[in-house]
Amino acid sequence: KQEVTQIPAALSVPEGENLVLNCSFTDSAIYNLQWFRQDPGKGLTSLLLIQSSQREQTSGRLNASLDKSSGRSTLYIAASQPGDSATYLCAVIGLSKNAGNMLTFGGGTRLMVKP
Amino acid sequence: NAGVTQTPKFQVLKTGQSMTLQCAQDMNHNSMYWYRQDPGMGLRLIYYSASEGTTDKGEVPNGYNVSRLNKREFSLRLESAAPSQTSVYFCASSQSSGNTIYFGEGSWLTVV
Repeated sequence: KQEVTQIPAALSVPEGENLVLNCSFTDSAIYNLQWFRQDPGKGLTSLLLIQSSQREQTSGRLNASLDKSSGRSTLYIAASQPGDSATYLCAVIGLSKNAGNMLTFGGGTRLMVKP
Repeated sequence: NAGVTQTPKFQVLKTGQSMTLQCAQDMNHNSMYWYRQDPGMGLRLIYYSASEGTTDKGEVPNGYNVSRLNKREFSLRLESAAPSQTSVYFCASSQSSGNTIYFGEGSWLTVV
């Protein structure tokens, strides 16, 4: 069974810092990996989707990398801002047909960026 | 630009009562999903519908039923609510399995 782990569970940084959030998964047979942001009391917003054949995706100040063989992904946030404060979740979709519709989520990293 | 809309936002039920969570998407997506989010357990898939007319069980389907009413709408029904079903429920949709997935704002359900 796929397991997704995110470290650290919580992170507090001063504004302007570059930071890295980590995601690891136990089964490397994935279709893709997605990073989401969740604000308190809100739904999830998709940030980046990396196909299994890709190594990274970029959107603005965000860069996500994928190393499928080692079962790891990182989300890099450049020049962090207080508005980046949220919980960040990664999720993977497995390759097998039965798992094809099931995103397996990590527990999330709760980020606070202090002004 | 509504995206995924789910109702109600908040609901309190007594044990044994039934209710239906409604979800609609306006993005012409084929696949729709229902998740629950619990502290310490993360997000878990309850049911999904890969396309109109099909539904399948996810990781935690017991105590729930679903209906894919049409391409836009996917409802989740609790027939006899239990305190263990106290949770935040999220509806989501995607063009198809493996594409970017879009979530609704969530429905907070408390069963007393």
